[in-house]
Amino acid sequence: AQTVTQSQPEMSVQEAETVTLSCTYDTSESDYYLFWYKQPPSRQMILVIRQEAYKQQNATENRFSVNFQKAAKSFSLKISDSQLGDAAMYFCAYRSAPGGTSYGKLTFGQGTILTVHP
Amino acid sequence: DGGITQSPKYLFRKEGQNVTLSCEQNLNHDAMYWYRQDPGQGLRLIYYSQIVNDFQKGDIAEGYSVSREKKESFPLTVTSAQKNPTAFYLCASRTHDRKHYEQYFGPGTRLTVT
Repeated sequence: AQTVTQSQPEMSVQEAETVTLSCTYDTSESDYYLFWYKQPPSRQMILVIRQEAYKQQNATENRFSVNFQKAAKSFSLKISDSQLGDAAMYFCAYRSAPGGTSYGKLTFGQGTILTVHP
Repeated sequence: DGGITQSPKYLFRKEGQNVTLSCEQNLNHDAMYWYRQDPGQGLRLIYYSQIVNDFQKGDIAEGYSVSREKKESFPLTVTSAQKNPTAFYLCASRTHDRKHYEQYFGPGTRLTVT
């Protein structure tokens, strides 16, 4: 079974600064998907960014980018120019590609609480 | 607007009673999922359904039951056999289109059992 580990229970950043959230995962599969979800105080889960394992290029979405290191099984999220609205719980998640053992099922990390200071 | 609806937002029940949480989606998604979230923990998968009239147990299915009679609906019943039912429950859905493989989530239902 796959596992996802977020080793930082809490992180903080000053507004307009950059912060990186860490995520590592364990899998024997070669094809899979990785995701970062944001959960603000409303508790609505919002997709931030996604990465397909077969793509070497790191995904970016505006101020959000990832550093995907497949060999190291690492998938960190970088938030640039942090804003007060970025304050939330962030979850890293893994899903197998079609044909994989956990296709369709998301495996989540424990989450990282991000605080943004004005 | 397309989306996932979960009702009610807050639900209170007495211990020993079964309770059903609603999840409806109008995204024409094929697969639907139920997750449970406890304080300080990530989401854990309860049940999922890839197509109508078919569903599979997730990692923590004991004490829960589901049905998938319609593509749009995937209700979750929390039975009296679930030992610690108080939690935040999230429903999600996904298309089978490989180009759009992410899951979308509903707003959640907070269940409190006393």
